Amino acid sequence: DQQVKQNSPSLSVQEGRISILNCDYTNSMFDYFLWYKKYPAEGPTFLISISSIKDKNEDGRFTVFLNKSAKHLSLHIVPSQPGDSAVYFCAASFTGNQFYFGTGTSLTVIP
Amino acid sequence: KAGVTQTPRYLIKTRGQQVTLSCSPISGHRSVSWYQQTPGQGLQFLFEYFSETQRNKGNFPGRFSGRQFSNSRSEMNVSTLELGDSALYLCASSPVTGGLETQYFGPGTRLLVL
Repeated sequence: DQQVKQNSPSLSVQEGRISILNCDYTNSMFDYFLWYKKYPAEGPTFLISISSIKDKNEDGRFTVFLNKSAKHLSLHIVPSQPGDSAVYFCAASFTGNQFYFGTGTSLTVIP
Repeated sequence: KAGVTQTPRYLIKTRGQQVTLSCSPISGHRSVSWYQQTPGQGLQFLFEYFSETQRNKGNFPGRFSGRQFSNSRSEMNVSTLELGDSALYLCASSPVTGGLETQYFGPGTRLLVL
């Protein structure tokens, strides 16, 4: 049973525009959420995280929004750059437990 | 600091064989987790080791096993390989266990079962 879902397997965005990647989860116990970026032939690299006590966390061009009532989080990338083209995974966890990952969204930023 | 290293990077085996994969965590990290990545399934959690003890385990058959050594290095073993075991196997290290700490991933071992 997939507890973390990324329903869009792929997304294409023009350079300079906003990229919005979405993630839904089913377990209300999750209290920590992360986004990872993965390039081909490399392991995922940590991008940004958010604790359940917040609804927004910003780091440069990357902002993660958390809507606990909807069990939904999103990653906004503004402005999108060609180097952002990668697979993005969201992950969720709760204290003392493992990380649960989504299936990933492949982002292509078109120059 | 050196990152997480995994060996070998690529491996080809045949059905029925067994395989052992190795992971060296970032220096000072005591938690090592293993994941299987297949197309359409994302990263599926296999197990986590902390201080040589298995702390968490995912929903994989007993053919998948692991261990962790006193220096925090970890190995994962898959016995009686099946075609469906073909995947990218990733390990991730973290300073502590408990799920609230960022994990740092290695580049993965690409396993192909023929």
